[in-house]
Amino acid sequence: DAGVIQSPRHEVTEMGQEVTLRCKPISGHNSLFWYRQTMMRGLELLIYFNNNVPIDDSGMPEDRFSAKMPNASFSTLKIQPSEPRDSAVYFCASSTRTAYGYTFGSGTRLTVV
Amino acid sequence: KQEVTQIPAALSVPEGENLVLNCSFTDSAIYNLQWFRQDPGKGLTSLLLIQSSQREQTSGRLNASLDKSSGRSTLYIAASQPGDSATYLCAVSGRDDKIIFGKGTRLHILP
Repeated sequence: DAGVIQSPRHEVTEMGQEVTLRCKPISGHNSLFWYRQTMMRGLELLIYFNNNVPIDDSGMPEDRFSAKMPNASFSTLKIQPSEPRDSAVYFCASSTRTAYGYTFGSGTRLTVV
Repeated sequence: KQEVTQIPAALSVPEGENLVLNCSFTDSAIYNLQWFRQDPGKGLTSLLLIQSSQREQTSGRLNASLDKSSGRSTLYIAASQPGDSATYLCAVSGRDDKIIFGKGTRLHILP
């Protein structure tokens, strides 16, 4: 298995532009999580899905952030419009069940200038 | 609300020494606890997963323990090597399926 695949690995964009981050979970995993990591705040859970349904989006910072999971093999996290304070590393993780732990992707490093 | 704390935030030890990293959590109603390693600029690599019914897990030079009632876990690294230098993250998951991370311990092994 190729693991959790995220794209792009790096993204540099100008303030105000739309940014879309992508994630392909491990086949057969039914839970998917989006995290954001910064030096100041560490790893923060933004949103998670179970069986493609958003379960908890209380960590999404504001309406500029949205996430979708149209099918079991693909999810997107969109920021529109982007701001410099959104600069961070965004990780996607997937799991079969909580009891079996989580597998993380390599992350997308987002820089908004 | 679950909170996870890791102490110390940073640690430097000479190569060859044994060391212990600490993790504490406020809500003992967890399903499991997982230790991760993160190298600079890289993703997270799972090291050990301890189910709530277990007391410890071992993998090579690593041993993780869990005391659910006191809300504590330790990661023991034996005979440390320069390649062990990384940030070590502790994470717990509960009934709501969320996994909550500590801020990590930055470990530097001195050659």
